[in-house]
Amino acid sequence: QSVLTQPPSASGTPGQRVTISCSGGSSSIGSNTVNWYQQLPGTAPKLLIYSNNERPSGVPDRFSGSKSGTSASLAISGLQSEDEADYYCAAWDVSLNGYVVFGGGTKLTVL
Amino acid sequence: QVQLQESGPGLVKPSQTLSLTCIVSGGSITSGSYYWSWIRQPAGKGLEWIGRVYASGSTNYNPSLKSRVTISVDTSKNQFSLKLSSVTAADTAVYYCARIFVGPRDCWGQGTLVTVSS
Repeated sequence: QSVLTQPPSASGTPGQRVTISCSGGSSSIGSNTVNWYQQLPGTAPKLLIYSNNERPSGVPDRFSGSKSGTSASLAISGLQSEDEADYYCAAWDVSLNGYVVFGGGTKLTVL
Repeated sequence: QVQLQESGPGLVKPSQTLSLTCIVSGGSITSGSYYWSWIRQPAGKGLEWIGRVYASGSTNYNPSLKSRVTISVDTSKNQFSLKLSSVTAADTAVYYCARIFVGPRDCWGQGTLVTVSS
């Protein structure tokens, strides 16, 4: 069971805006920053968003992140077919000597 | 550009110890005050953080795996390693080594499939 909660699936049509939520607790998202990862089939996860809302170079500005309290969100605007992938949130949890927690992942389908 | 590459047996028998090594190239494992992590993903399932090691040897582990996990670093070989004891079929997964939560300087290995089976 994941410590961060994400919806298992999301969908949208090309050009649409989609958001994926990530819910944690006071010891995880409430205390630390959130990363978001995109995973295409058969590949390693790729960093999309770090420190809640920062994009690494090369990540389109269609991807944006936000955080409020113990929850975070990833928004994808101008949805494209190549955005179809699994998305994971992650955060450091300060409890029990500290460890990284991931969300269960959200499968995004572009209809 | 730092690159990570996992290596180790692809098949481990139940009750035995799974051992993997991550070779770091393109940079020193001791530079930058980074922690080096192991993460796994069973087929069709999500990501699970196993633990991390600092160049000094300091470690943090996932509480759910802590009793079976040892992560160590060999700075002379620029690599770090994972040992997971008493494995069962539930430990079958793709295992990734990675450097995460370092701002934009995140990097991951390509992953290696480890199957636990007799």
